[in-house]
Amino acid sequence: LAKTTQPISMDSYEGQEVNITCSHNNIATNDYITWYQQFPSQGPRFIIQGYKTKVTNEVASLFIPADRKSSTLSLPRVSLSDTAVYYCLVGLSNDYKLSFGAGTTVTVRA
Amino acid sequence: SQTIHQWPATLVQPVGSPLSLECTVEGTSNPNLYWYRQAAGRGLQLLFYSVGIGQISSEVPQNLSASRPQDWQFILSSKKLLLSDSGFYLCAYVTLGLAHPGELFFGEGSRLTVL
Repeated sequence: LAKTTQPISMDSYEGQEVNITCSHNNIATNDYITWYQQFPSQGPRFIIQGYKTKVTNEVASLFIPADRKSSTLSLPRVSLSDTAVYYCLVGLSNDYKLSFGAGTTVTVRA
Repeated sequence: SQTIHQWPATLVQPVGSPLSLECTVEGTSNPNLYWYRQAAGRGLQLLFYSVGIGQISSEVPQNLSASRPQDWQFILSSKKLLLSDSGFYLCAYVTLGLAHPGELFFGEGSRLTVL
């Protein structure tokens, strides 16, 4: 399973764009990259998933370079309610072991 | 629709007492099931996962065990709790073949305090 490295924390202000980069140097050919958001006392919830290039949905964008050794989650125009821990998870090509890294605590201030 | 439930939601147990947390999944067949633990202020630690009935993979050797007696049921147990077992326990499942491969769906969590 590919190990992931993310910044421990990031601070931002309402209305700004937040970009969180995750490093996964030993990603396997068939691995997907999935990002989750977690609020206190809740389980993580799915934000976005990608394999290569760029993926966009209604809440975020995911940028994956050609070598796939990193990925960047982009949260446009954050609000106070986006304060949470964000996890990058890589895996499920042939491995059912889904381990989370330490995550990035994003704090959005008014 | 698929749903996941776990209970109890909260419990306070003395050191050395037993533990049983239960997780059930409805609306899907052959899910992969996972138990995670989150200590206060920490990340998610994978404890066990199962790809089928009776199949358990342990990631952290300690005083916890898991069982999967039914396809839809995943149980986390301990014979004697330690103070370090306190935390927020999350059950999750993955159903292969969906739009997002490997997307984890989590239960509501069980908060355990060992005194």
